[in-house]
Amino acid sequence: AQSVTQLGSHVSVSEGALVLLRCNYSSSVPPYLFWYVQYPNQGLQLLLKYTSAATLVKGINGFEAEFKKSETSFHLTKPSAHMSDAAEYFCAVSRYLETSGSRLTFGEGTQLTVNP
Amino acid sequence: EADIYQTPRYLVIGTGKKITLECSQTMGHDKMYWYQQDPGMELHLIHYSYGVNSTEKGDLSSESTVSRIRTEHFPLTLESARPSHTSQYLCASSEQGADGANVLTFGAGSRLTVL
Repeated sequence: AQSVTQLGSHVSVSEGALVLLRCNYSSSVPPYLFWYVQYPNQGLQLLLKYTSAATLVKGINGFEAEFKKSETSFHLTKPSAHMSDAAEYFCAVSRYLETSGSRLTFGEGTQLTVNP
Repeated sequence: EADIYQTPRYLVIGTGKKITLECSQTMGHDKMYWYQQDPGMELHLIHYSYGVNSTEKGDLSSESTVSRIRTEHFPLTLESARPSHTSQYLCASSEQGADGANVLTFGAGSRLTVL
């Protein structure tokens, strides 16, 4: 079985401050890991993905995430928060199954608030 | 610029009505999905399809049904809507990349309210 846990359903930072959104995964095989962002009244948009090519993954809008196998973590960071970063962020894990293809399991989401 | 389209974006209807949420994608993806998302909560997979004439139930039990007659079209139907069906429904499609990752592309969602 595979799962993800996002620590903190709400994170609040000041504009210009470091953004850190936490995600821990559970998977019996090497996983593919993703971060998606959802702005109000919109669908989800891919921020970045980990596919074992590199442990530090850079995504769009200045976000990056580091895969740490020893900690089973894939935390999302951004050095300096911008007001436009306010959104819901979802961590997801998947693995490929011969019988049923790839399935994504999403975390519960973290709502990021950016204060001026 | 969306490659996956959902209509209607917002729908308010009375109990007992039949509704169909439309989802179309122009990317030629074989895999398509429907997720249900309640406010401030995680996404739950309710239906998926790996190609034409292929449909499967997802992780969360749902009274809705789906069909996949054409690659680009994956509509979701509720025969008799109830207030418990009030939620946001997100459609997605995907393809396996060369790196093996299955990246989902999402539509903007259909927010359903049943009175």
